[in-house]
Amino acid sequence: EPEVTQTPSHQVTQMGQEVILRCVPISNHLYFYWYRQILGQKVEFLVSFYNNEISEKSEIFDDQFSVERPDGSNFTLKIRSTKLEDSAMYFCASRGPPKQFTQETQYFGPGTRLLVL
Amino acid sequence: AQKITQTQPGMFVQEKEAVTLDCTYDTSDPSYGLFWYKQPSSGEMIFLIYQGSYDQQNATEGRYSLNFQKARKSANLVISASQLGDSAMYFCAMREGGSQGNLIFGKGTKLSVKP
Repeated sequence: EPEVTQTPSHQVTQMGQEVILRCVPISNHLYFYWYRQILGQKVEFLVSFYNNEISEKSEIFDDQFSVERPDGSNFTLKIRSTKLEDSAMYFCASRGPPKQFTQETQYFGPGTRLLVL
Repeated sequence: AQKITQTQPGMFVQEKEAVTLDCTYDTSDPSYGLFWYKQPSSGEMIFLIYQGSYDQQNATEGRYSLNFQKARKSANLVISASQLGDSAMYFCAMREGGSQGNLIFGKGTKLSVKP
């Protein structure tokens, strides 16, 4: 069964460093997302990506964040200068084109646990 | 105002019994989708079940069913014949029609299945 994959599974970095989180969405999917989950809290939307551009982003997704789909398979989230509060689990998700307008399941990757020291 | 409300921070259920996890939502959009995800202690998010706002019947997927009460804006998850492996966090989420599909999550319910 196809699945979303994410690398690395864990990342430890120093405050102020750049990190790149990588995702390989399900191959025939068209919509891609990043979410984050601070420890013990709910999952929060960061950004959605479709047709090689950002389609929607949340207030969390400020200038320190960027996303890219450098080739036909990878989807990356870059944090330019990490802060302590960026420590969280980051999930990538993807979905295919909806069969009906409201039918669209997002499949999540296993997550990257980021720790900023 | 919270768009997704899960009022039960924690729930206990005896193995083999059924359990209902509550979820209420708030939207003025006539077109929306409701989802339930399971998050075991290992951290991954596992899709369980989906209900569209225009669906006439309640969704079912194996031991999972969604009790969709549109007028009450509730979308409770029912797990029948609970198993020890069902112990996990459960998140209710909504996608509103006008968005690009991003999900709004509730705070989750931690379900513990007792042997």
